[in-house]
Amino acid sequence: EVQLVQSGAEVRKPGESLTISCKGSGYTFSNYWIGWVRQMPGKGLEWMGIFYPADSDTRYSPSFQGQVTISADTSIDTAYLQWKTLKASDTAIYYCARPTSWGYFDLWGRGTLVTVSS
Amino acid sequence: EIVLTQSPDTLSLSPGERATLSCRASQRIPSTYIAWYQHKVGQAPRLLIYGVFNRAAGIPDRFSGSGSGTDFTLTISRLEPEDFAVYYCQQYSSSPDTFGQGTKLEIK
Repeated sequence: EVQLVQSGAEVRKPGESLTISCKGSGYTFSNYWIGWVRQMPGKGLEWMGIFYPADSDTRYSPSFQGQVTISADTSIDTAYLQWKTLKASDTAIYYCARPTSWGYFDLWGRGTLVTVSS
Repeated sequence: EIVLTQSPDTLSLSPGERATLSCRASQRIPSTYIAWYQHKVGQAPRLLIYGVFNRAAGIPDRFSGSGSGTDFTLTISRLEPEDFAVYYCQQYSSSPDTFGQGTKLEIK
């Protein structure tokens, strides 16, 4: 089965670091872009950025450039979203999703809830 | 950045009725780079439509997409109980890709 399986919910304090993960299965992970989408509480979807595992090409939305790091480990077919210094405003559900070569997302993970609170 | 504005914010209809959801872009979308997604609480978003009018695999034909330029529409011809959800449009013609704010389709 083609799927993206995301890591579980996380609770952190402001200023802490965090990495969440997304494991692809059922397809050749390194041959497809992988992206991240944020949904803040009560809000809509926001495109954060995408990463191409085969050559590490990375593209960020200007809103997220410098705020997060997207990466992947092709040996275990897993993508990551990393924060070095969390803020309360990072509280959200984060979805990983697979964009087609055109750009729309044809496969989504179930989301990871990140709560940042003192 | 292209801003997508969806309307209405909330649409209250009954099963069996027709739903028309709008997505307006702040600038012209070249070609057909618009997609629509259905999102239910606690679930992964699901691709419904890509390339303005192409249904994704497994999507019932009661879902259809149309439009061009700056105005795009998702139509659900006869609502089924499982169709009540939040719907998002996405443009992928210009980086960064952007989503609309969503339309909540609720049972009347």
